[in-house]
Amino acid sequence: GQQVMQIPQYQHVQEGEDFTTYCNSSTTLSNIQWYKQRPGGHPVFLIQLVKSGEVKKQKRLTFQFGEAKKNSSLHITATQTTDVGTYFCAGRGAGNNRKLIWGLGTSLAVNP
Amino acid sequence: KAGVTQTPRYLIKTRGQQVTLSCSPISGHRSVSWYQQTPGQGLQFLFEYFSETQRNKGNFPGRFSGRQFSNSRSEMNVSTLELGDSALYLCASSPGTSVSRETQYFGPGTRLLVL
Repeated sequence: GQQVMQIPQYQHVQEGEDFTTYCNSSTTLSNIQWYKQRPGGHPVFLIQLVKSGEVKKQKRLTFQFGEAKKNSSLHITATQTTDVGTYFCAGRGAGNNRKLIWGLGTSLAVNP
Repeated sequence: KAGVTQTPRYLIKTRGQQVTLSCSPISGHRSVSWYQQTPGQGLQFLFEYFSETQRNKGNFPGRFSGRQFSNSRSEMNVSTLELGDSALYLCASSPGTSVSRETQYFGPGTRLLVL
């Protein structure tokens, strides 16, 4: 079945370092969404990418959607302790398959 | 608008019991999805309800069931609880009318511990 692989599973960085998490789908997606879950909290929507090759920025966060709409990345520049949490990608299937398929998430820890 | 609410927030049950969790979506949202979250397993999709009908279903055993009421509130039930059912159960709502582009609004979750 359709799968979304997300790597790495964990990442530990020093404050100020950059961080990137990657998602790869086994099939073409119609769109991909990114969520952030703080420790003890619930997932909160960050952004949705729809177009092939799309790049969107939110302050220090940069989101990319691959040309083939099968992969995506989230890059954080100069991490801060407030970036701590788990970042999930969720891909929406194309065609008749409209299910949202979730990656397992990348847990980010930031040392002050 | 008030966010998604879930009750109860915490629950302790013993093996073999059953449990019912409740979710009230954002006002105007007609789609409610349920997820199970355990450490290392990410978000596992249980099912989605829209207008009182199950629209999508994950790969969980029949012990997991749900329903949605006419006011869009939803409940999920787990019968014959097992230790492995201990998890955070998250409910998420969305308008439901434009499936291909909608995002999910999550509630705070119900943390279930099975002893």
